[in-house]
Amino acid sequence: ETGVTQSPTHLIKTRGQQVTLRCSSQSGHNTVSWYQQALGQGPQFIFQYYREEENGRGNFPPRFSGLQFPNYSSELNVNALELDDSALYLCASSSQQGAYEQYFGPGTRLTVT
Amino acid sequence: RKEVEQDPGPFNVPEGATVAFNCTYSNSASQSFFWYRQDCRKEPKLLMSVYSSGNEDGRFTAQLNRASQYISLLIRDSKLSDSATYLCVVNFGWHSGGYQKVTFGTGTKLQVIP
Repeated sequence: ETGVTQSPTHLIKTRGQQVTLRCSSQSGHNTVSWYQQALGQGPQFIFQYYREEENGRGNFPPRFSGLQFPNYSSELNVNALELDDSALYLCASSSQQGAYEQYFGPGTRLTVT
Repeated sequence: RKEVEQDPGPFNVPEGATVAFNCTYSNSASQSFFWYRQDCRKEPKLLMSVYSSGNEDGRFTAQLNRASQYISLLIRDSKLSDSATYLCVVNFGWHSGGYQKVTFGTGTKLQVIP
């Protein structure tokens, strides 16, 4: 086990609603990255948090936002949900040191109807 | 051209066979490389980091070819339990935004047949 946890495991929302997903990073890791993985695709980088600040973002609109807390846990918030937001959302924990290996949580499967 | 490219497969191989996957990447300045394994509807799990000298872990061997910009994963004596999607991951190094840019391939699906 990686020690990275995510909640909830599954979620069903309606188009236009808002959702918050949570992630607890592995002990000793100060960086959390969030990914969206659609069926049949590789994970797509949403953004990364390091020491409570967003320090990198992929090609996702501003309605995707996040937070990192002093204990390095993190939240992903998505506003105005769209049908295409249905995906597996993965959180990855890492250290800024070394080769930058990332360890993933089990993911949250979001379905937007 | 995609930053990281993989053959999506599926690769259907009999038990005991040897199978190899390649992954090409676009940036010659890439810093580090990884193979992840992902089972259906589960999270990716780190299988191996890929070092310049190549590395081996049991039945799995990873190689890096910087000149041709690809990495490879070789699986010997395939087991039924090896059936999964194998994701190639490239760390392109520090991005101007102050983070290390990591890009995943779309994955290669392996099905080991009895």
